[in-house]
Order: sequence, then structure tokens, then C-alpha cells
Amino acid sequence: DAKTTQPTSMDCAEGRAANLPCNHSTISGNEYVYWYRQIHSQGPQYIIHGLKNNETNEMASLIITEDRKSSTLILPHATLRDTAVYYCIVRAYTGNQFYFGTGTSLTVIP
Amino acid sequence: DTEVTQTPKHLVMGMTNKKSLKCEQHMGHRAMYWYKQKAKKPPELMFVYSYEKLSINESVPSRFSPECPNSSLLNLHLHALQPEDSALYLCASSHRVAQMNTEAFFGQGTRLTVV
Repeated sequence: DAKTTQPTSMDCAEGRAANLPCNHSTISGNEYVYWYRQIHSQGPQYIIHGLKNNETNEMASLIITEDRKSSTLILPHATLRDTAVYYCIVRAYTGNQFYFGTGTSLTVIP
Repeated sequence: DTEVTQTPKHLVMGMTNKKSLKCEQHMGHRAMYWYKQKAKKPPELMFVYSYEKLSINESVPSRFSPECPNSSLLNLHLHALQPEDSALYLCASSHRVAQMNTEAFFGQGTRLTVV
């Protein structure tokens, strides 16, 4: 199964864009990249996912490099409520399990 | 309805007790998952059910016994647990396992304390 590598923690000023990187250098051609976040002691919340094209929804944008070895989650205007642990997940092709990496703890600073 | 409901929210049990965690969804999902999450750690996959059949067991000790009685319900039966089994237990569901392009929805979890 493909592994992901994320920075342990990041800070972002309120109102600024938060850019969260993820490396997934062993990803296979048919595996999707998913992003979830988890606010303290709650269940993980789905944010966005993609295969190879950039994706955008009401929460965030996902930029995947052309070689698909890395991606960046962009929260365009971070708010205090975006403080959470953000997980980048490569969904396993066999069995389709969601395996969580160590995640990035994002703190949005007033 | 995009909700996965887990009950109870909190559970305290002794090491000789038998208890069950319950998870329910009404989104027509045919894949359901159990995860265990220790404090400050990412969720760890325990079991995957596909079409009410156990498809993946991530080498979980037998004191954890999953059950999927129908397509909407997933149980986790607990027996003779240890204090180190104290954790947040998360349930999730998604469309059938073979469908890659869909997200999983997670419940809010059951906070289990073994005393």
C-alpha cells in the first residue's frame, strides 16, 4: 500500500491560505488521494479527493503534481474553526481500505 | 442523510465484562469499517465488511469480535479487554468496496475506557 508523508505541524494566520503538503511517491496509477480532517475527539471529516486532475469544492482545493508523487491541500481563507489534524490518504486499490498516515496538525492563529 | 451513528458515545467497562458497540448508517453503503484510535495517534484500521461479509481483519485480537447483521448495522463485540484497549473506536461506511471514487463517512466514535 502506498504511504504518505506529511509535516507534523503547521501554523497559519487567520484569513490567509493554508497550504498543506503531502508526499506519496509510491502511489499507483489507479489510486486516489483523499484528504480528511479531524477536529479534537470527533470523527474524521471528508474534505476532498482526486486522481490526477486538480479538484476544488466548497471547502478546499487539491493540487496533484503531474507525476502524482505529491499533492497540496489548500484552504483558501483559513478560519479558527479549521484548526485540526489533516490526513492525506492514498486509498488502497486492493480492498479499498483507507489507511491514515500521521497527519499534519494545523493551528490557525488569530 | 449522510450520517453514521455510533452508540454509545462513552463506555466504561471492566476487564471481565462483555459489551457491544453499535454503528448504523442509512446511506445504502455496502462497505463498513471499524477503526481504533489512541490519543494523539491516527486511526488504525481494524476490520472491513463488504456486503455484510468480513473482507479484512488487520490481525485484531479475538477479544474484539465484529458482526454485520444487515447492510445498515455494524457491531463490535468486546470481551475480556485490557486497559490498553482504551481508545476511541470509529465506524465508517462507504459505497461498495470496489468503487474507488467515493468517500467514506465516519461516525463520531465511542470513547471506550477499560478499568
